Parts: sequence; C-alpha cells; structure tokens
Amino acid sequence: EAAVTQSPRNKVAVTGGKVTLSCNQTNNHNNMYWYRQDTGHGLRLIHYSYGAGSTEKGDIPDGYKASRPSQENFSLILELATPSQTSVYFCASGDWQGATEVFFGKGTRLTVV
Amino acid sequence: QQKVQQSPESLSVPEGGMASFNCTSSDRNFQYFWWYRQHSGEGPKALMSIFSDGDKKEGRFTAHLNKASLHVSLHIRDSQPSDSALYFCAASEHNNNRIFFGDGTQLVVKP
Repeated sequence: EAAVTQSPRNKVAVTGGKVTLSCNQTNNHNNMYWYRQDTGHGLRLIHYSYGAGSTEKGDIPDGYKASRPSQENFSLILELATPSQTSVYFCASGDWQGATEVFFGKGTRLTVV
Repeated sequence: QQKVQQSPESLSVPEGGMASFNCTSSDRNFQYFWWYRQHSGEGPKALMSIFSDGDKKEGRFTAHLNKASLHVSLHIRDSQPSDSALYFCAASEHNNNRIFFGDGTQLVVKP
C-alpha cells in the first residue's frame, strides 16, 4: 500500500521559533499536500506541490512556507511559530487528476507555547 | 464560501443501524467525489469514490450521486462500532489537482 511518512509525530515549539515538518512518500506520486486539521474546520489546505521544485499556495498559506526538493520529500516550514498554529498537520500524496485517491500520513501534532 | 458542505455535523446510531451522510457542493465543475474516513489518531483514508449519477454499492457502504443537484450521500447499513470515525466528503474538478474537503461528520456507533 502507498506510504506517506511524517516526522516528527509530535512537536512542542516556542513562540517565535522555527519549525520544520517533514513528509516523505514512496509512492512516486507527483502531487503532495499539507493540511491542518482543527476541531470545527475539517481539513484546510496550506500548500501543495505538483512535483519537485514546485509549490503552490492553498487556502490558508499565511505564516507557512513549503519546500519540495525532490519527488519524495515535501516540507512545511513555520519561520516564526505562533500559538494560533497549534494544530494537527497532515501530509498527503496522490496523482490526483480527480479520479485517484489521495494517501495521507498519520499526522503531526504541533503545540506552540 | 466553502465549496463542499456536509451534514449533519455529528451522528449517533445503534449497532446494526443505518448511518447516512450528506454532502452538497457549490461548484458545477466538480466531476469526482470521494468519501474519506478518519479514525481517531489516524490520517484520513479513502473509503469509496463515485463519479457517475446513481448508486454505487461496496459491501455495507452505498454512495449516491446526483450531479444535477450537486448532492452526494453515503449510507452505511448494519453499522458496527468500528465504523465510529470522522467521515469526509471530497470533490475535485477534472484535470485539477485541488481537492476540496467538507468539514466532516462525526459518527458514533453505540454497541
């Protein structure tokens, strides 16, 4: 089965610090996505990528950067973490032309104190 | 305006009962619809897809699509406690890599 691995699984960061969330997929999928999940908001798209070297803004990109250095890896970067970024973050991959499923990682629980 | 809206927000059914979820979209360009399921502490996982009008049945799960009314539904018969999870509707346009998720419906199946 398709595999998406996120690291770390849990992270506590200080306000104003830099945080990097990593995602690796072994599915050879072109598309990768970063979502955050908060109670009452479902899954909100932060950034996504169509392939190595590309990043696109999603619906809530403010305060986040993304990096796709290779087909397999997609990182989410919080340059100056704030308590409002406390959330659960999910990475996903897929060859989504609409007709194929997307595979999610297990999530990273980030707490900014 | 959110492109995919789900109802109800939460649902409780007895074991063996029928659970029903609804999803409406505001974009007539949506061609592909999926249902995802997320158990507590896990990432969402695709449950089933539906691309054509009508019903699609997979075991205890039946999805229904009506593109004219932009309405998708999911029905689980003989619900089991293991079906307790958060259910998401997702939609996408043809040749578009964006996926739009609803806010989800929390299902609790009581033994």
